Amino acid sequence: NAGVTQTPKFRILKIGQSMTLQCTQDMNHNYMYWYRQDPGMGLKLIYYSVGAGITDKGEVPNGYNVSRSTTEDFPLRLELAAPSQTSVYFCASSYSSPATAGYTFGSGTRLTVV
Amino acid sequence: QKEVEQDPGPLSVPEGAIVSLNCTYSNSAFQYFMWYRQYSRKGPELLMYTYSSGNKEDGRFTAQVDKSSKYISLFIRDSQPSDSATYLCAMTSNSGYALNFGKGTSLLVTP
Repeated sequence: NAGVTQTPKFRILKIGQSMTLQCTQDMNHNYMYWYRQDPGMGLKLIYYSVGAGITDKGEVPNGYNVSRSTTEDFPLRLELAAPSQTSVYFCASSYSSPATAGYTFGSGTRLTVV
Repeated sequence: QKEVEQDPGPLSVPEGAIVSLNCTYSNSAFQYFMWYRQYSRKGPELLMYTYSSGNKEDGRFTAQVDKSSKYISLFIRDSQPSDSATYLCAMTSNSGYALNFGKGTSLLVTP
């Protein structure tokens, strides 16, 4: 049982480049989330999804896009990368409302934009 | 005012000490409270989960919720160097679609 898998683990992008951060879960969880974590700033919600075909913005969605075509996958797209997007990105999932059992997190993608 | 406040530390204690980590919050609708532990360069992992007020104990860890004061705590007894990590509090309401996190407290337990 792999849980939540994120790829790649590390990436260096040049300003203006684009990339997709992959997230896959094998727990049949309905809810999925993308967070970014910056030093001293805690976890900030970028986007979330309550099921396939349903996504919504979180606290810091600008510069990002998501899609959810299957229950398992929730990729995060960065368009026109900027230095401000340098961060550690975490994907998380929960079976239903996080009130019931909290999240399971992936191990993160460390992104540097230069 | 941010919804969840948590002192970032760092907090340094000797091995064997009792550690107290705390969060305050402003939203009275929060009823579900969690503590996550995050080791360096890893994803957070769920450590404790509590509903409403009261205490919950799991081994060396005790989670405490005081809804009247909007204050939650995590106590670690007989702390070990392996407890060195960042501890994040998280909480949500019945209708919440996502967790609200504190910024995390960095803990170092020295041998």
